[in-house]
Amino acid sequence: QVQLVQSGAEVKKPGSSVKVSCKASGLSFNTYAISWVRQAPGQGLEWMGGIIPMFGTTYYAQKFQGRVTITADESTSTAYMDLSSLRSDDTAVYYCARGSYSDYWGQGTLVIVSS
Amino acid sequence: AIQLTQSPSSLSASVGDRVTITCRASQGISSALAWYQQKPGKAPKLLIYDASSLESGVPSRFSGSGSGTDFTLTISSLQPEDFATYYCQQFNTYPLSITFGQGTRLEIK
Repeated sequence: QVQLVQSGAEVKKPGSSVKVSCKASGLSFNTYAISWVRQAPGQGLEWMGGIIPMFGTTYYAQKFQGRVTITADESTSTAYMDLSSLRSDDTAVYYCARGSYSDYWGQGTLVIVSS
Repeated sequence: AIQLTQSPSSLSASVGDRVTITCRASQGISSALAWYQQKPGKAPKLLIYDASSLESGVPSRFSGSGSGTDFTLTISSLQPEDFATYYCQQFNTYPLSITFGQGTRLEIK
């Protein structure tokens, strides 16, 4: 089955970090950009950054520079998004998506940041 | 950074209506624009890429047009399953960057 499968929901304390995984199955992974997009409750889509696994090249939105790290493991076709110094306004659903035009999306991972 | 402005932010329409949503880029982006549909609790779904190319499996009542700074998504005859939020998206290849419009919520009248 062609899909991106993300890790499960997380509840985190302010100031901590979260790492979300995105495993590809049945689809090409290495040659496409894998992006991370988040959506706060009731809000729109926000691109955080991406990686091209074949080259390991990463790109980050300016807003998240220094706070997000995106990595990929080609051997397991898995991408990771690590967001640090969490704040309450980081509460959102985090999606991974394949390609500059994203034809495949993960199911989303809810991250709740609360004390 | 390129900004995308969608209009309207929301609209009400009836089944069978023809609907047009616009997306304006803050600078020219050639045809590097996509449209997505998102339903509550679901991931976005790619409808249109390269401004006017229909993604495989997407009904032909969806169409896109435009280039440069002004783009439109048209639904020729609304179906019940089309009530959702629509986003435009542009990308820059190098360095990779992606921007989304703020979304247009399409509701049943």
